[in-house]
Amino acid sequence: DAGITQSPRHKVTETGTPVTLRCHQTENHRYMYWYRQDPGHGLRLIHYSYGVKDTDKGEVSDGYSVSRSKTEDFLLTLESATSSQTSVYFCAISESHEGYNEQFFGPGTRLTVL
Amino acid sequence: DQQVKQNSPSLSVQEGRISILNCDYTNSMFDYFLWYKKYPAEGPTFLISISSIKDKNEDGRFTVFLNKSAKHLSLHIVPSQPGDSAVYFCAASEVWDMRFGAGTRLTVKP
Repeated sequence: DAGITQSPRHKVTETGTPVTLRCHQTENHRYMYWYRQDPGHGLRLIHYSYGVKDTDKGEVSDGYSVSRSKTEDFLLTLESATSSQTSVYFCAISESHEGYNEQFFGPGTRLTVL
Repeated sequence: DQQVKQNSPSLSVQEGRISILNCDYTNSMFDYFLWYKKYPAEGPTFLISISSIKDKNEDGRFTVFLNKSAKHLSLHIVPSQPGDSAVYFCAASEVWDMRFGAGTRLTVKP
């Protein structure tokens, strides 16, 4: 299994509070991704990173920011959590960003915003 | 708008029979198609993929078929086993942009 961990695995927070989720990899893969999974929508890309300090927006980036200061860590921040951000969040990594693009996923973080 | 659609939320088959999971897409620029499998409380894991220049790819019990004219792909599992019970996501990628379907929950009954 690819070495990807996510922390925390579960979090309950209140509307308006800031939340940071962490993704850590030991595979030295260049590309890292944050997805959210919601019923009826599958997985949707929030942000991705193509190197240290290099990030870009995905399909559903509003309300989220990311940072990558080291190859192995990719942080997802909800500056002011809302109930619509209740979801399961998955981090993924990949070696390649083009063509055949197998991604390896972490175990997920279940976030509940009350 | 959902560019990748899995119209069957669930599928139930008997052990030993064939499972067929379907997926439709709208973006003709997708160049790779992938299937991921997901067990509860775990992240998705890659199962099989196919390039847009092919129409079939086989890996053991799993075969993916691509019909570009119909913008349709399917995953065949033969024979189905109880351990195959999981949620299956279809995904399609155009360079870095990977879009996922909503998933189909497969239940294989002993």
